Amino acid sequence: AQKVTQAQTEISVVEKEDVTLDCVYETRDTTYYLFWYKQPPSGELVFLIRRNSFDEQNEISGRYSWNFQKSTSSFNFTITASQVVDSAVYFCALGANTGNQFYFGTGTSLTVIP
Amino acid sequence: DGGITQSPKYLFRKEGQNVTLSCEQNLNHDAMYWYRQDPGQGLRLIYYSQIVNDFQKGDIAEGYSVSREKKESFPLTVTSAQKNPTAFYLCASSERGQGEKLFFGSGTQLSVL
Repeated sequence: AQKVTQAQTEISVVEKEDVTLDCVYETRDTTYYLFWYKQPPSGELVFLIRRNSFDEQNEISGRYSWNFQKSTSSFNFTITASQVVDSAVYFCALGANTGNQFYFGTGTSLTVIP
Repeated sequence: DGGITQSPKYLFRKEGQNVTLSCEQNLNHDAMYWYRQDPGQGLRLIYYSQIVNDFQKGDIAEGYSVSREKKESFPLTVTSAQKNPTAFYLCASSERGQGEKLFFGSGTQLSVL
């Protein structure tokens, strides 16, 4: 079964705090892809990052960083020094090995308070 | 600018009425998708198409229909058989292949009158 779990439904932080969004996935595929998307209030999902299952290197992009651990089936997302513009719903997704199918978590709504 | 255009942004459906949501892309992508988003339930796949004149049902296809006559267009019809159509509908596209990222439209909010 393919499944993505985002246990945190809503998170609120004060501006400049660091925040980590959790993502746990299930798959029997040996080759798979993991994604994070951001959905601001406008509604359109915006791609943030993609990882394939053979690349466990952590990645940093500005204030964003991602920690991929196959041993715990997790792909967590950290925002450092959060800003009000980071307020959005964040989705973690799993890309199957076949068929162009994607499995989304239920999303984490992040509110950054000024 | 390349992207995905969804229209209308808001749509109202009367009982027993079919409505069609438009999705057009100029990214030259082969694959296109329709997702339904309900509060607290994430995105659920309705239909997807990997090539013109071919499409497959997703997890919640009942009460919906699609067509893919042109590469650029993937309209979704919400039929009267869909008893709970109120939701936010997102169209997406991607290059064909494994693990390609999705590009999304800005969505259509469908409500029942």
